Amino acid sequence: GIQVEQSPPDLILQEGANSTLRCNFSDSVNNLQWFHQNPWGQLINLFYIPSGTKQNGRLSATTVATERYSLLYISSSQTTDSGVYFCAVRTQGGSEKLVFGKGMKLTVNP
Amino acid sequence: DAGVIQSPRHEVTEMGQEVTLRCKPISGHNSLFWYRQTMMRGLELLIYFNNNVPIDDSGMPEDRFSAKMPNASFSTLKIQPSEPRDSAVYFCASSPGLAGGHEQYFGPGTRLTVT
Repeated sequence: GIQVEQSPPDLILQEGANSTLRCNFSDSVNNLQWFHQNPWGQLINLFYIPSGTKQNGRLSATTVATERYSLLYISSSQTTDSGVYFCAVRTQGGSEKLVFGKGMKLTVNP
Repeated sequence: DAGVIQSPRHEVTEMGQEVTLRCKPISGHNSLFWYRQTMMRGLELLIYFNNNVPIDDSGMPEDRFSAKMPNASFSTLKIQPSEPRDSAVYFCASSPGLAGGHEQYFGPGTRLTVT
């Protein structure tokens, strides 16, 4: 099955810093989503981005489907950005299931 | 919209007991998914439905697990008998359809502890 790798696995930042999270996948996809799992365990949809670039406030994401990777940018990080970030993909022609990466734990210190 | 609704939010039960988790998808969504999150295996799909029909149950770990979707607004995931290794967070998600490009929206999850 498709492999989804996220990097870095963990990141510690000071408030105000910027960061880039990367998601590599091993096969063609027609669905890619970024999620933020907050400290209460809720999975929050950040982006639905099978290709192209989107921005939402301090967050933006870019997926280059032909090169099989996606990037999530967090600018001017805040303590509320802390949590685990997941990339999840669905393969073209495959099951409807989302295959998740292992996640990246972000800690933003005040 | 209220989003995907799951109940209970927390469940603590003893080994051997039956556990039933409930999910109400977002109104108008045709696809419903059950995922499980554990430290060892991360987030993985158990089963999904389209128009109330189970499409892929290959992720259901064993016969102790069963899922139903009697109508478009309700689904259950049942574990009978429960075992300590079933302890996990169970998420329900829904999406508008199976056209392949539809975003999945997750409920708050049910944290299950089997002692």
